Amino acid sequence: DTAVSQTPKYLVTQMGNDKSIKCEQNLGHDTMYWYKQDSKKFLKIMFSYNNKELIINETVPNRFSPKSPDKAHLNLHINSLELGDSAVYFCASSRRGGLAKNIQYFGAGTRLSVL
Amino acid sequence: GENVEQHPSTLSVQEGDSAVIKCTYSDSASNYFPWYKQELGKGPQLIIDIRSNVGEKKDQRIAVTLNKTAKHFSLHITETQPEDSAVYFCAAAPQGAQKLVFGQGTRLTINP
Repeated sequence: DTAVSQTPKYLVTQMGNDKSIKCEQNLGHDTMYWYKQDSKKFLKIMFSYNNKELIINETVPNRFSPKSPDKAHLNLHINSLELGDSAVYFCASSRRGGLAKNIQYFGAGTRLSVL
Repeated sequence: GENVEQHPSTLSVQEGDSAVIKCTYSDSASNYFPWYKQELGKGPQLIIDIRSNVGEKKDQRIAVTLNKTAKHFSLHITETQPEDSAVYFCAAAPQGAQKLVFGQGTRLTINP
C-alpha cells in the first residue's frame, strides 16, 4: 500500500485555468505538507497543516488554496494558473510529536505543466 | 530563517569508491537533519537522519556526521554501487517549526 499518494501524477493545462491536486496518507500522521520543486530541483515548503489547521504558509500567492477535510487528506487548489506555476508538487506527512517527529514521508509528486 | 547550503552540486565517483556530500546550516536552534534520495520521476525518500543530540549515525554503507559547533553535517556513502546514482538532498528542521528547509541537492553519478 502506498503511504502517501497524490493524484494526478501529471497535469497539463492552459494558463488561466483552475486545477486541483489531491493527497492522501494512510500512515496515521497528523501533519501534512505541500512542497514545490522547480526546474532546478530546488524543494521549498509551501504549506503545512496539523490536524486540519494551517500552521505554515510560506508567502505563497493566494491563488493557491490548500484544504484539509481531515487529518489524512490535504488537497491543493490553484486558481488562474500561470506559466511560473509549472513545477513538481510534492505532498508529505509526518507526526508532530514523539520519537518520530519531523520524519517526513513524501508522495511521488504531481508534475504540473502550464502552457 | 534557516538557510541550508549543500555541496557539491554534482559528484561523479567510480563504483566501489566513497562519496561525501556536505551541508551547512545557519540556525543553531535546528535540531533534526535528514537526508533524502530522489530517483528520476519519484519523490524524495528518507535514507538516514540525525538529531542534534548525536554526532554520528550509521546504517550499513551510509553514515551521517553532525558538527553542531560548526553547523555542518555530511553524508558518507561507502562502496558505492550503480543504484546509488540519484539526487541527494540534505535538510534541516528549525526547532518548533513544522517544516524542512532543503539544500540545493547533489546529483551523484556512480560510474561502472
